[in-house]
Amino acid sequence: DAGVIQSPRHEVTEMGQEVTLRCKPISGHNSLFWYRQTMMRGLELLIYFNNNVPIDDSGMPEDRFSAKMPNASFSTLKIQPSEPRDSAVYFCASTLILDRAGGYTFGSGTRLTVV
Amino acid sequence: EDKVVQSPLSLVVHEGDTVTLNCSYEVTNFRSLLWYKQEKKAPTFLFMLTSSGIEKKSGRLSSILDKKELFSILNITATQTGDSAVYLCAVGVLNRDDKIIFGKGTRLHILP
Repeated sequence: DAGVIQSPRHEVTEMGQEVTLRCKPISGHNSLFWYRQTMMRGLELLIYFNNNVPIDDSGMPEDRFSAKMPNASFSTLKIQPSEPRDSAVYFCASTLILDRAGGYTFGSGTRLTVV
Repeated sequence: EDKVVQSPLSLVVHEGDTVTLNCSYEVTNFRSLLWYKQEKKAPTFLFMLTSSGIEKKSGRLSSILDKKELFSILNITATQTGDSAVYLCAVGVLNRDDKIIFGKGTRLHILP
């Protein structure tokens, strides 16, 4: 398995532009999580899905952030409009809900810089 | 509010030293405690602990959980420069879906 695949790896954009981050979870995993990581705040859970349904989006910072999971193999996190304070590394992770062995598998992350 | 607190935030030691990293937590419906190592990219899984007092061991790394006192420690013996990383503690919350709450991590730097 190729693991959790995120794209792009790096994104630099201007303030006000729309940004879309993409994630392909591990095949067969039925929970998907979006995290944001900064030096100041560490890893913050933004939203998670179970069987493609959003379960908890209380971590989404504001209405500028939205996430979708149209099917079991794809999810997007969109920021519109982007702001400099959104600059961070965004991780996607997936797990099989009954997997008691190893927790989550993380993607390599998308490093977002908003200038 | 559920929270996970790690200490110290940062640690610098010499190669060969032994280090102990701490993690305390306050969560409702505790399910498990996990340790991850993060070097330059994504966190990678080290251990998952669910029972008190049972040590998990992998090479020079070991970890134990105390569910009564709500903490865990991660020990690294005979440290090597390759152990330099951020070590993340996370707690799994038992509800109808698996949610994990992370601490801010301990940044460990091993001097040669």
